[in-house]
Amino acid sequence: QVQLVQSGAEVKKPGASVKVSCKASGYSFTGYYIHWVRQAPGQGLEWMGWINPNSGGTTYTQKFQGRVTMTRDTSISTAYMELSRLTSDDTAVYSCARGGTTGYYVDYWGQGSLVSVSS
Amino acid sequence: QSALTQPPSASGSPGQSVTISCTGTSSDVGGYNFVSWYQQHPGKAPKLVIFDVTKRPSGVPDRFSGSKSGNTASLTVSGLQADDEADYYCTSYAGSNNFVFGTGTKVTVL
Repeated sequence: QVQLVQSGAEVKKPGASVKVSCKASGYSFTGYYIHWVRQAPGQGLEWMGWINPNSGGTTYTQKFQGRVTMTRDTSISTAYMELSRLTSDDTAVYSCARGGTTGYYVDYWGQGSLVSVSS
Repeated sequence: QSALTQPPSASGSPGQSVTISCTGTSSDVGGYNFVSWYQQHPGKAPKLVIFDVTKRPSGVPDRFSGSKSGNTASLTVSGLQADDEADYYCTSYAGSNNFVFGTGTKVTVL
């Protein structure tokens, strides 16, 4: 069955970077886009961007451009999201999700990784 | 990219129907038939309930239906059940490989 298993919770200082991993199993990793979405405490969902695991091509939403990097390692079916220059506003649960067959929705989600930014 | 606008809350009694709106612009909701809806229970990952405006994934009951008119998409949950109480989010393709989520709606089953 399709599974996306993410790395554990992280606590970071302001100004630091964080890298979250997302290991896929149960399907062909290179056949489906991986989206990254975040949710701040008590807030709504926010789309950050996506990566094509086959080509490595990425699109980042304007808000995070220059601060986010999405990569993948096809040999271990794992996608990564790195966010730099963290502030307290970046405290959130970061989730990876698999793009659906047509690409314009997500059908499976990781369990989420809590990133807390505090001095 | 501005978030799509949803009402903060909606409610209905068991067995009744509730409809949630999702308003965007001609650059997102109105421009593409790529609106999807997600149900999120507290502390859980979102679950896809509608994609491509009107399509239901396998396993989602036909009590969930989607539609779109102009720049506004809608999700209707009919025959409300206690387990339908959750947050619901719409999302739309917004062109140039971008997506945008809605502000979210909390559905309460009275």
